[in-house]
Amino acid sequence: AQSVTQLGSHVSVSEGALVLLRCNYSSSVPPYLFWYVQYPNQGLQLLLKYTSAATLVKGINGFEAEFKKSETSFHLTKPSAHMSDAAEYFCAVSYPRIGNTPLVFGKGTRLSVIA
Amino acid sequence: ETGVTQSPTHLIKTRGQQVTLRCSSQSGHNTVSWYQQALGQGPQFIFQYYREEENGRGNFPPRFSGLQFPNYSSELNVNALELDDSALYLCASSLGTSGQGDYYEQYFGPGTRLTVT
Repeated sequence: AQSVTQLGSHVSVSEGALVLLRCNYSSSVPPYLFWYVQYPNQGLQLLLKYTSAATLVKGINGFEAEFKKSETSFHLTKPSAHMSDAAEYFCAVSYPRIGNTPLVFGKGTRLSVIA
Repeated sequence: ETGVTQSPTHLIKTRGQQVTLRCSSQSGHNTVSWYQQALGQGPQFIFQYYREEENGRGNFPPRFSGLQFPNYSSELNVNALELDDSALYLCASSLGTSGQGDYYEQYFGPGTRLTVT
């Protein structure tokens, strides 16, 4: 079954430190991959997406992610954490090349930023 | 341009009751998808509506049903509510349905938080 695994339900970093949120997918079919952010009491906002062009994808708010087929990974990074980055982050996968497949989400990683 | 809106924001229901949640899609969008997000979990796909027809369904029982109207707004109906139905229900709209390599970004609303007691 197509799935997404996010390692670490909670990650805590100091302000100014590197942010690394991990995501692995399982599928033999070429995926489209996404990172969404959810602030308290809000919906999901798309940070960035990989749709088979460049493997290094840059998104909003200074985030980026690299698609590594050999590792089936799509980890999210940001060089320097800001207090406003504290939120829940979800990795998701879809397979539009094979049909109208829905977004399949991981369980999420809560990012805390310590002053 | 108005984004995706959902109503109500919060809702409390009793087990066994029925509930209707509403979603207004972003202007020009003809596709609406619904997701259930239980506490501490990622969103799970319930179903999608495209031009007023159901166009895909996740692993949810038939007591979860929906409608899409000619203006592309949508309703999610849940009958015989169970305690496990307590969740944040998210609606997302898009310009079309993805497939054959085409991808249409989904824009999410703020959600409706349903509590079943």
